Amino acid sequence: AQSVTQPDIHITVSEGASLELRCNYSYGATPYLFWYVQSPGQGLQLLLKYFSGDTLVQGIKGFEAEFKRSQSSFNLRKPSVHWSDAAEYFCAVGGGNSGYALNFGKGTSLLVTP
Amino acid sequence: GAVVSQHPSRVICKSGTSVKIECRSLDFQATTMFWYRQFPKQSLMLMATSNEGSKATYEQGVEKDKFLINHASLTLSTLTVTSAHPEDSSFYICSAKTGALYEQYFGPGTRLTVT
Repeated sequence: AQSVTQPDIHITVSEGASLELRCNYSYGATPYLFWYVQSPGQGLQLLLKYFSGDTLVQGIKGFEAEFKRSQSSFNLRKPSVHWSDAAEYFCAVGGGNSGYALNFGKGTSLLVTP
Repeated sequence: GAVVSQHPSRVICKSGTSVKIECRSLDFQATTMFWYRQFPKQSLMLMATSNEGSKATYEQGVEKDKFLINHASLTLSTLTVTSAHPEDSSFYICSAKTGALYEQYFGPGTRLTVT
């Protein structure tokens, strides 16, 4: 079965520290991978996406993610976190049997401390 | 570009009444729209997929007679929660895509509270 796993429910980092949010997927075909961010009571904003090509993708707000097929992972990184980055982050996967619909992970809540 | 709006942003209704939520693509033609439901502190769960001019495809466990979806034009889809009950209280989010592209653009969501 197709699935998306975000192992970390909550992560706390100090402002200025580096960040890595994990995402693992289980898909039969080549997946289309996305990272979204959601602020409280808001919709989702696309941070970055991977369809094909260079496995290191750059997104908005200084985020990047690396697709590693051998590890079935698409981890999100940021070298220096800002207080405004505190939000909920969702990894999503599309393609394969799901067609155009996206399968979302359960999300990782990021807390940034001073 | 690629802006999706939802209306209303918040709605409170009494149990037993029906509520309509609109999802509009403002600057592109949305051949496909998706409706998601999100419970507090949880992920998005796909409710249904609708293609313009066709009947919506509902996910397993979603009552199609309770959650009526209409996608009558390339810029508008509506979700009607019929005979709403307190357990229908949730955050409803729509998204839209165009053509054969996989990228979805999300609306800001609608907070439904049923009293």
